Amino acid sequence: QQPVQSPQAVILREGEDAVINCSSSKALYSVHWYRQKHGEAPVFLMILLKGGEQMRHEKISASFNEKKQQSSLYLTASQLSYSGTYFCGTEGYNTNAGKSTFGDGTTLTVKP
Amino acid sequence: DTGVSQNPRHKITKRGQNVTFRCDPISEHNRLYWYRQTLGQGPEFLTYFQNEAQLEKSRLLSDRFSAERPKGSFSTLEIQRTEQGDSAMYLCASSTRRGTGESSGANVLTFGAGSRLTVL
Repeated sequence: QQPVQSPQAVILREGEDAVINCSSSKALYSVHWYRQKHGEAPVFLMILLKGGEQMRHEKISASFNEKKQQSSLYLTASQLSYSGTYFCGTEGYNTNAGKSTFGDGTTLTVKP
Repeated sequence: DTGVSQNPRHKITKRGQNVTFRCDPISEHNRLYWYRQTLGQGPEFLTYFQNEAQLEKSRLLSDRFSAERPKGSFSTLEIQRTEQGDSAMYLCASSTRRGTGESSGANVLTFGAGSRLTVL
């Protein structure tokens, strides 16, 4: 019951915007977003709990639609440092509680 | 706070050998998770602990894999009789959590740098 991310890869010019989507087939309690650079550990960006609140980290924001079991990550005015692979992690209820299940990632490349 | 520490960072072994990885979580974190990651994939859940108790183990995990967290501090992940398919990055993460569900708050994971296993 791994979440599905789209697109698989995005190539941008510096200053352009991007949206990364994450959807799940199960009811979700929370969605996390992480960024991983090549050869490094995933780094936490933000977490969204049920309630549909938008979160923001610098020029990166995210939304969580609990009813649709979807989350989107919005990267505004992208910078070179945004390059990396973005993973969404989801946590559900009951047997799906207590741990995060990750999607296969979206690779973002920002070019000058 | 030095973050989550994992060692060894790299391990090359021959098929059939046993390997053990160690994870030292952030000291005040009560939850410890093991994930496995292969190229082009997201982290795959293996098992997790709350303090010293192992709360869940992935049903996909072979019996050759075992993890412990004695005294609720560091954790070890042992793989017996390694196979080439075990080659991957093994990630440890820790968090602080009071339970599960709506009353437990956010479960923010801090990952270690990982232990890369290559089975020849």
